[in-house]
Amino acid sequence: GENVEQHPSTLSVQEGDSAVIKCTYSDSASNYFPWYKQELGKRPQLIIDIRSNVGEKKDQRIAVTLNKTAKHFSLHITETQPEDSAVYFCAATPGTASKLTFGTGTRLQVTL
Amino acid sequence: EPEVTQTPSHQVTQMGQEVILRCVPISNHLYFYWYRQILGQKVEFLVSFYNNEISEKSEIFDDQFSVERPDGSNFTLKIRSTKLEDSAMYFCASSDLAGGATEAFFGQGTRLTVV
Repeated sequence: GENVEQHPSTLSVQEGDSAVIKCTYSDSASNYFPWYKQELGKRPQLIIDIRSNVGEKKDQRIAVTLNKTAKHFSLHITETQPEDSAVYFCAATPGTASKLTFGTGTRLQVTL
Repeated sequence: EPEVTQTPSHQVTQMGQEVILRCVPISNHLYFYWYRQILGQKVEFLVSFYNNEISEKSEIFDDQFSVERPDGSNFTLKIRSTKLEDSAMYFCASSDLAGGATEAFFGQGTRLTVV
């Protein structure tokens, strides 16, 4: 089955700096890669996603890149703010199945 | 904005007891899922459900677990004889197409504590 690895497990940046979180996946049939933000005790919330026919997608301060050949995708947050502090999960879904396989999460801390 | 709702928000149960976690998916969605998250760990897939039957399940989803769509709106997860290791946050999710094509919307979760 699909296996998703995520790095780093924790990331501390100063307000205004950029943050990058990286994920790799194993199943070359995966075709949809969402990123979720989870605040303490709350539900995972989709912040951005990318499909396998696209290499990059941007939404204001957030961008995601996908390298299908290398089977990795990354989340980029620019001009970080304290409210960006949360746990971020990447996920992937195989082409023929509907479940999401999540990475292990990255705890992002934005310090003043 | 439509959302997935789950009840209860927190359930405490004694080991060996049965629990039923309830979910109301978004009304026009066709695919339903249960995930769980042990405290401090990643979100893990349990089961997906489409057209009134299980479409996929993980190795976690053993004979102690079952799902049901008893009416047109509710989607339930039953754990027959709870164990301490079942303590986790359980999330229900729904999507209008297979998860490979569109967003899965998550409910706010039910925190299950087995004592």
